[in-house]
Amino acid sequence: NAGVTQTPKFQVLKTGQSMTLQCAQDMNHNSMYWYRQDPGMGLRLIYYSASEGTTDKGEVPNGYNVSRLNKREFSLRLESAAPSQTSVYFCASMNQDWSYEQYFGPGTRLTVT
Amino acid sequence: GIQVEQSPPDLILQEGANSTLRCNFSDSVNNLQWFHQNPWGQLINLFYIPSGTKQNGRLSATTVATERYSLLYISSSQTTDSGVYFCAVLTGANSKLTFGKGITLSVRP
Repeated sequence: NAGVTQTPKFQVLKTGQSMTLQCAQDMNHNSMYWYRQDPGMGLRLIYYSASEGTTDKGEVPNGYNVSRLNKREFSLRLESAAPSQTSVYFCASMNQDWSYEQYFGPGTRLTVT
Repeated sequence: GIQVEQSPPDLILQEGANSTLRCNFSDSVNNLQWFHQNPWGQLINLFYIPSGTKQNGRLSATTVATERYSLLYISSSQTTDSGVYFCAVLTGANSKLTFGKGITLSVRP
């Protein structure tokens, strides 16, 4: 049981490049989330998916898109990376049918130059 | 939106000391979680505690939902306890977690 996995662990992009961050969970959770963490701050929600086939904006969605590919996978795409998107990105999942506890992946450290 | 405030922002302890970390929140919540972010950046679930008291080894937590605060107790601290401790509360239909800014704990040998 791997829990929540994310790839890649590290990435460096040039301004204007695009990339997709991958997230998968094997806990059969319904809800999945993408957060970003900036220095000295807690995590802020970018997008979430309450169930397969649905996605909604969080607190800081600008510059990002998401895809809930199936129940297991939730990807985050940066279409045209900007230096302001330099951050650590965390994916999380939760099954609100029986618990509101969220579980986090190991994070992706992204630098945009 | 809901406000989550953690105190103190920084804490330095000698190994073996005890400490109390506080989390205040401004509105009713469905859930409250405590996390430890270790020096490698990994977020580790400590407690899922919307109300009441829980204990796990040297750590325990208490949430008093009616008074909108939670406390995390660390006893007999160890150097491996160093890192950042986050409180996060869950509100609303989208089950979004709102995080505090964290408490940086340094435990010195």
